[in-house]
Amino acid sequence: AQKVTQAQTEISVVEKEDVTLDCVYETRDTTYYLFWYKQPPSGELVFLIRRNSFDEQNEISGRYSWNFQKSTSSFNFTITASQVVDSAVYFCALSEAEGGSEKLVFGKGTKLTVNP
Amino acid sequence: EAQVTQNPRYLITVTGKKLTVTCSQNMNHEYMSWYRQDPGLGLRQIYYSMNVEVTDKGDVPEGYKVSRKEKRNFPLILESPSPNQTSLYFCASSFDRGASPLHFGNGTRLTVT
Repeated sequence: AQKVTQAQTEISVVEKEDVTLDCVYETRDTTYYLFWYKQPPSGELVFLIRRNSFDEQNEISGRYSWNFQKSTSSFNFTITASQVVDSAVYFCALSEAEGGSEKLVFGKGTKLTVNP
Repeated sequence: EAQVTQNPRYLITVTGKKLTVTCSQNMNHEYMSWYRQDPGLGLRQIYYSMNVEVTDKGDVPEGYKVSRKEKRNFPLILESPSPNQTSLYFCASSFDRGASPLHFGNGTRLTVT
């Protein structure tokens, strides 16, 4: 069965520090999709990125970067030079594409607090 | 503007009083789903719908009903709410199930006393 583990429940950093949020997943499928979502204090859920299992290229978007490593079943998220506005709960999610289930499973989330 | 609209944002009710949380999307998405978010448990799927008149149970369907009579609407019905259904609820839609990212509504915070 598919599973997503975000071992870090809460992280607290000081502004301008780099921070990495870990995401480890389990799946038996060879085709799957990985996602990151952000939930700021206002409560809405915002899509950040999607990766499919055949694309292991790392991605960078401004201060955000994602490191996808199939060998370790990880899809980690790094924020460089963190800012107070990055304070949020971040969810990693996995969707399997085979077998007809295509079910999206979320990790329990990591709460990031960036202090000024 | 592409969006998923949920109403109400906040709802306080009493045990046993039927309620409906509405959800509407304007993106012509086929897939819609409901999640509940609880501290320490993350997001858990309640029900989902692949298309009009096609619905199925998620991980925690007990005590909930849904319907999909129109493509844009996917209401969540609690026939007899209980305190353990106090939670933050999210409606979401996407182009398909699995590959496409979810678009979420702003959430409904439900308190059942």
